[in-house]
Amino acid sequence: IAGITQAPTSQILAAGRRMTLRCTQDMRHNAMYWYRQDLGLGLRLIHYSNTAGTTGKGEVPDGYSVSRANTDDFPLTLASAVPSQTSVYFCASSEGQGGYGYTFGSGTRLTVV
Amino acid sequence: AQSVTQLDSQVPVFEEAPVELRCNYSSSVSVYLFWYVQYPNQGLQLLLKYLSGSTLVKGINGFEAEFNKSQTSFHLRKPSVHISDTAEYFCAVSVRAQGGKLIFGQGTELSVKP
Repeated sequence: IAGITQAPTSQILAAGRRMTLRCTQDMRHNAMYWYRQDLGLGLRLIHYSNTAGTTGKGEVPDGYSVSRANTDDFPLTLASAVPSQTSVYFCASSEGQGGYGYTFGSGTRLTVV
Repeated sequence: AQSVTQLDSQVPVFEEAPVELRCNYSSSVSVYLFWYVQYPNQGLQLLLKYLSGSTLVKGINGFEAEFNKSQTSFHLRKPSVHISDTAEYFCAVSVRAQGGKLIFGQGTELSVKP
């Protein structure tokens, strides 16, 4: 089934540890995005990539990094996790920029203790 | 900068009653507008979108929304809700000239009671 796969589904992580959240899509979408979802705040954009080889910062990029080596994969790395990064993380992709809308993954629930 | 405000954080309704979830946006330029639904422990699914043309947009599961440019609103409506409509609903906007990144509202929790 075409879509976005995120891994892991959930994770408990010790503060200070490094963690990479994986995101893979099989729709050959050009644009990919990482959002975090927090209660009462909706979804906030962390980083995005309009096409393979390019990335950009979103609304809340501090403490996170991304790479886009190919069209399908868009991993999100927390270099040194802190408790404020406890959240649900969603990866999304879009066929292009503008009015296409997004396809979302099922999310990764991350708890930093 | 663009922003989205969902005016109600929680909306409780009885089954078969009509519902309206309110969304206002702030932008000085042309935008695309979206409504997404999130069922418990799942990702977001696109309900409907407004790109241009008719201001009344119909989506999946019997939902519709009306774009009102003068009031900068994009309210979501359904004439008769079901228990299965219980979910979180997100309004989102993207700016046509700025690459299409979505800005989301805070979400409205729709709770349908029997």
